[in-house]
Amino acid sequence: GENVEQHPSTLSVQEGDSAVIKCTYSDSASNYFPWYKQELGKRPQLIIDIRSNVGEKKDQRIAVTLNKTAKHFSLHITETQPEDSAVYFCAAFKDYKLSFGAGTTVTVRA
Amino acid sequence: GAGVSQSPSNKVTEKGKDVELRCDPISGHTALYWYRQSLGQGLEFLIYFQGNSAPDKSGLPSDRFSAERTGGSVSTLTIQRTQQEDSAVYLCASSLSPGGARYNEQFFGPGTRLTVL
Repeated sequence: GENVEQHPSTLSVQEGDSAVIKCTYSDSASNYFPWYKQELGKRPQLIIDIRSNVGEKKDQRIAVTLNKTAKHFSLHITETQPEDSAVYFCAAFKDYKLSFGAGTTVTVRA
Repeated sequence: GAGVSQSPSNKVTEKGKDVELRCDPISGHTALYWYRQSLGQGLEFLIYFQGNSAPDKSGLPSDRFSAERTGGSVSTLTIQRTQQEDSAVYLCASSLSPGGARYNEQFFGPGTRLTVL
């Protein structure tokens, strides 16, 4: 089955700096890569996604890049703000199943 | 509109007891998933229902775990003879039919926090 690895497990950044989270996947047939944000005690919510035929996608301060050849994808958050503090999960989709990374706890220091 | 709902929000039980967790998906969503989230871990796939098709139970960790979905809507996850290692947050998600290569966003419920003493 699909194996998704996510790094780092924790990330502390100064407010206004950038945060980068990286994921790798094992199954080249995976074709869709969403990122979920989970605030403390809340449900995971989709923040951005990318399809396998696209290399980069941006939405305001958030961007995702995908390298299909290397089977890795990354989340970039620029100009971080305190409300960006949360756990972020990457995932890879194939057929009907999402395989998740272990999560990155991001803390934005004021 | 209403999102995915789950009940109870918290469940404390004694080792060896059975528990039932309920999920109400978004109306019209034919796909329903159960995940387990242990402390500091990612989301572990448990089971997938799609319409009237046979469910994919490949993620259930043992035969103490079972799930059903009645009438293509509400789903119940049952854990028999609970063990302390079953303590986790159990999340349910629903989506429109994911058919083939098409991904439809999975919307998550708030989860049930299960504590086995």
